Amino acid sequence: AQSVTQLGSHVSVSEGALVLLRCNYSSSVPPYLFWYVQYPNQGLQLLLKYTSAATLVKGINGFEAEFKKSETSFHLTKPSAHMSDAAEYFCAVSDLTQGGSEKLVFGKGTKLTVNP
Amino acid sequence: GAVVSQHPSRVICKSGTSVKIECRSLDFQATTMFWYRQFPKQSLMLMATSNEGSKATYEQGVEKDKFLINHASLTLSTLTVTSAHPEDSSFYICSAEGGWVSGANVLTFGAGSRLTVL
Repeated sequence: AQSVTQLGSHVSVSEGALVLLRCNYSSSVPPYLFWYVQYPNQGLQLLLKYTSAATLVKGINGFEAEFKKSETSFHLTKPSAHMSDAAEYFCAVSDLTQGGSEKLVFGKGTKLTVNP
Repeated sequence: GAVVSQHPSRVICKSGTSVKIECRSLDFQATTMFWYRQFPKQSLMLMATSNEGSKATYEQGVEKDKFLINHASLTLSTLTVTSAHPEDSSFYICSAEGGWVSGANVLTFGAGSRLTVL
């Protein structure tokens, strides 16, 4: 089964600083990888996805992630943090359900705090 | 873009009662919907895959008789927590398959439903 590990349950940065959220995956086949953002009491919003095309994936809100097969990583970055980026971020990998259809397996999430 | 609506967003019920949560795809048809459960400070755990017109497929360890899923139309799936107990208190999130993009499923998530069982 596929899995993802997010290093650091909490990350705190200053406004304007670099954001780096780490994600490592475990997959027996070339994976599809995703980053989602969750604001308080809301569902998840897709930030970006990797589907075996370009290894550097650009998403919404200035975020991007780089797929590194040699490191089995898919870290999320943003050059300059905004206060509005404060949220919980989930890395996910695609896997198969009990019935054989495709599902997402999520990491435990990283809560990003942006300090003024 | 695709929108998924969940209702209710919050529900409080007494132990032993049943609670129904609805998940609707507002502007697209979803043959497949997924129900997740999110514990505090934990990740989302897939409970079941809901397929329109057929029985839901449950993940290992999820009680089928406890969490009843019905996907009666292409825009509506319901999750019923039967004989709810305090340990069923959680944040339940549904998602709907909105199509394929570059070979990967695109999922749209609802805003979630917070269930509190007293």
